[in-house]
Amino acid sequence: AQSVTQLDSHVSVSEGTPVLLRCNYSSSYSPSLFWYVQHPNKGLQLLLKYTSAATLVKGINGFEAEFKKSETSFHLTKPSAHMSDAAEYFCVVSDLNTGFQKLVFGTGTRLLVSP
Amino acid sequence: DAGVIQSPRHEVTEMGQEVTLRCKPISGHNSLFWYRQTMMRGLELLIYFNNNVPIDDSGMPEDRFSAKMPNASFSTLKIQPSEPRDSAVYFCASSPKGVLRVEQYFGPGTRLTVT
Repeated sequence: AQSVTQLDSHVSVSEGTPVLLRCNYSSSYSPSLFWYVQHPNKGLQLLLKYTSAATLVKGINGFEAEFKKSETSFHLTKPSAHMSDAAEYFCVVSDLNTGFQKLVFGTGTRLLVSP
Repeated sequence: DAGVIQSPRHEVTEMGQEVTLRCKPISGHNSLFWYRQTMMRGLELLIYFNNNVPIDDSGMPEDRFSAKMPNASFSTLKIQPSEPRDSAVYFCASSPKGVLRVEQYFGPGTRLTVT
């Protein structure tokens, strides 16, 4: 079965410093991978997706992620954190073994941004 | 586009009462998903509809839960009778037609509290 592991439950950064949220995946085939963000008391918003095209994927709000097959990783980065980036981030892999586009969510990483 | 619409946004009810959550997917999307989010279990897929037909309901916790999709623009998730352990945020998501490996778009969620 497909799965993702988010390596950090919490990440704290200062405003203006780089952000790195780590995600490793397990998949028996070429996966589709996503990053979603959830602000407090809000729904989940798609940040970016990888679907076997370019390995470096650019998303909204200055975020990007790089698909590294050799490392089975799909880490999320941003050069400079903003206070509004404080939220919960979910790494997600698609599981096609079920016959449909089932999303398998990681446990989430809470990003804290301090002034 | 209005996005996925869910109602109500908040619901407080007493144990034993019937609860009905509503969802309007994005127009033109043919897949609809109901999720439940709790601190303990994270995001869980409850049921998946494709072209208004339930395809996978293996995530529905028990017979107290039921879901319907009478047409392409409306779905309901019903809990009868409700119990305190059903307290959670319930999300509806939709995804467009076409090839697999497409993302899902989430609604803002319904926060259910059962006392």
